[in-house]
Amino acid sequence: EAGVAQSPRYKIIEKRQSVAFWCNPISGHATLYWYQQILGQGPKLLIQFQNNGVVDDSQLPKDRFSAERLKGVDSTLKIQPAKLEDSAVYLCASSLRKGGTGIMNTEAFFGQGTRLTVV
Amino acid sequence: SQQGEEDPQALSIQEGENATMNCSYKTSINNLQWYRQNSGRGLVHLILIRSNEREKHSGRLRVTLDTSKKSSSLLITASRAADTASYFCAILITGGFKTIFGAGTRLFVKA
Repeated sequence: EAGVAQSPRYKIIEKRQSVAFWCNPISGHATLYWYQQILGQGPKLLIQFQNNGVVDDSQLPKDRFSAERLKGVDSTLKIQPAKLEDSAVYLCASSLRKGGTGIMNTEAFFGQGTRLTVV
Repeated sequence: SQQGEEDPQALSIQEGENATMNCSYKTSINNLQWYRQNSGRGLVHLILIRSNEREKHSGRLRVTLDTSKKSSSLLITASRAADTASYFCAILITGGFKTIFGAGTRLFVKA
């Protein structure tokens, strides 16, 4: 089974520029996550989608970050304008997750991440 | 904070020794998961333990969960140099939808 695909792997931009990351989750996975991981820290959830709806975006800096998951499959995360403190690895993950009375399978499968450097 | 907190922050051991990492949390959980992250790579799921379980095994890994103490431990037996990585616990809060990660334990296994 193919894993979670992310692109690009690396990106260097100047502050105030914009950048976009792309994620294609594992086929059939309803839940998609975007995490931000600053060097030396654990992943911080930015936004979580269930199909194409947003479940949680409480830690997404909405003045500069946006994300969408059209058609409930792949997703893009955008930063505009970027700040120096946005330098981090942006990880996309997906999980199967059955809703209702089904088993909540929350094991997440991660992509390799996009390493963003803002200079 | 709702996230899990790992202890110790860093651990250095000799190959063949056992490594124990702990995770504490402050809220009621649905499950707790352990992940491994090699340098520069994405996270890999190791094991999931549900709130009604006390212990699980997977190969050289043993995870325990004590919900009364709100803590979990990950034991890696007979460690290998290839086990060198960061290990994170992640909790799914009861009634919640998101999985929250701790800051991780950095394990270094010397050959």
